[in-house]
Amino acid sequence: RKEVEQDPGPFNVPEGATVAFNCTYSNSASQSFFWYRQDCRKEPKLLMSVYSSGNEDGRFTAQLNRASQYISLLIRDSKLSDSATYLCVVNTDSGGSNYKLTFGKGTLLTVNP
Amino acid sequence: EADIYQTPRYLVIGTGKKITLECSQTMGHDKMYWYQQDPGMELHLIHYSYGVNSTEKGDLSSESTVSRIRTEHFPLTLESARPSHTSQYLCASSGSIMGLGEAFFGQGTRLTVV
Repeated sequence: RKEVEQDPGPFNVPEGATVAFNCTYSNSASQSFFWYRQDCRKEPKLLMSVYSSGNEDGRFTAQLNRASQYISLLIRDSKLSDSATYLCVVNTDSGGSNYKLTFGKGTLLTVNP
Repeated sequence: EADIYQTPRYLVIGTGKKITLECSQTMGHDKMYWYQQDPGMELHLIHYSYGVNSTEKGDLSSESTVSRIRTEHFPLTLESARPSHTSQYLCASSGSIMGLGEAFFGQGTRLTVV
């Protein structure tokens, strides 16, 4: 089982749609969680951290379920500018208080007019 | 805005040449990473470092080598470039207290070996 698995995508949605991305992680020692966004031919950039209580930033909502080892990202009222690849990222203790970031493969979202 | 820099941004070089891709960060981050990414494909971790004099190989086997002599600097070297090394190389850093550090990426180096 891969350390971080995401919906394979791609997702094609109309403007204004609500879209949800799912991600599972295999290591129960994982400590922190993030969603990144990567535009075509650009570097990944942090979209939001994911907290145990869930968190919201405008149209974006992130949820974490530690028992199920599952992370989600919900985008409401999607815009053309939301078109990008969304990466699930997990920070895991690899021993000796050293933490390693593991990226999922990413899910491509295309929002159509 | 992240303070992590990669040079060069673009490099076209002949087969057999030795190359070094530079990566520097001014955030005092202890952890640094090198990823390789082909267009439209996933990120592959090729090297990482937890601090000075610490380097580890990543999940994807790579013929490149790295060094971490200073906290802020994490160069990647290819002794003899080949066309199969053509790719984008992304450097990242993260700071962590209690393991909660997100990664910041440089803008990447697009390497083409001809």
